[in-house]
Amino acid sequence: EAGVAQSPRYKIIEKRQSVAFWCNPISGHATLYWYQQILGQGPKLLIQFQNNGVVDDSQLPKDRFSAERLKGVDSTLKIQPAKLEDSAVYLCASSLGTSTYNEQFFGPGTRLTVL
Amino acid sequence: DQQVKQNSPSLSVQEGRISILNCDYTNSMFDYFLWYKKYPAEGPTFLISISSIKDKNEDGRFTVFLNKSAKHLSLHIVPSQPGDSAVYFCAASALTGANNLFFGTGTRLTVIP
Repeated sequence: EAGVAQSPRYKIIEKRQSVAFWCNPISGHATLYWYQQILGQGPKLLIQFQNNGVVDDSQLPKDRFSAERLKGVDSTLKIQPAKLEDSAVYLCASSLGTSTYNEQFFGPGTRLTVL
Repeated sequence: DQQVKQNSPSLSVQEGRISILNCDYTNSMFDYFLWYKKYPAEGPTFLISISSIKDKNEDGRFTVFLNKSAKHLSLHIVPSQPGDSAVYFCAASALTGANNLFFGTGTRLTVIP
């Protein structure tokens, strides 16, 4: 079974530029999550999708971050414009459903450096 | 506001000995707890979990203990192996929630051969 795929793996941009990350979840997984992991901290949930609907985006800085999952499969996370404090690893995860007992499977992450 | 805390950033243990990783939480609504293991350049992978109706859950070399009154859980690895060297994250969730995980800051375990 293929895991969660993310691209790119690394991205370096200058502040005020825009950047987009892509995630393809495990086939059949209805729930998709984007996490932000700042160096020295644990992952923090940014947004959770159930199919193509948003379940929770309370921690998403909506003035600069946006995410979509138009067809209920893959997803993109965008930052526009980027700030220095956005430097982090962006992790995508997926699970069969929204039950807490549904294990979340994580992708390898995209490491973003904002200069 | 860090609702899940791992106060030890690192831990070194000799191969074959016990590793004990600790985690504290503040939110009394949390009733499901997980440990994830992370190798460099990879995403976290699920290791073991425990719900609040239990105080212990065991899976092979890994055992998680939960003390609800103290809002504390720990992960025991016995015996520790060099391949266990990784960053371990504690995470918590509320069963009535939408599978939102709150993670601690992680503990880097090094098992010395």
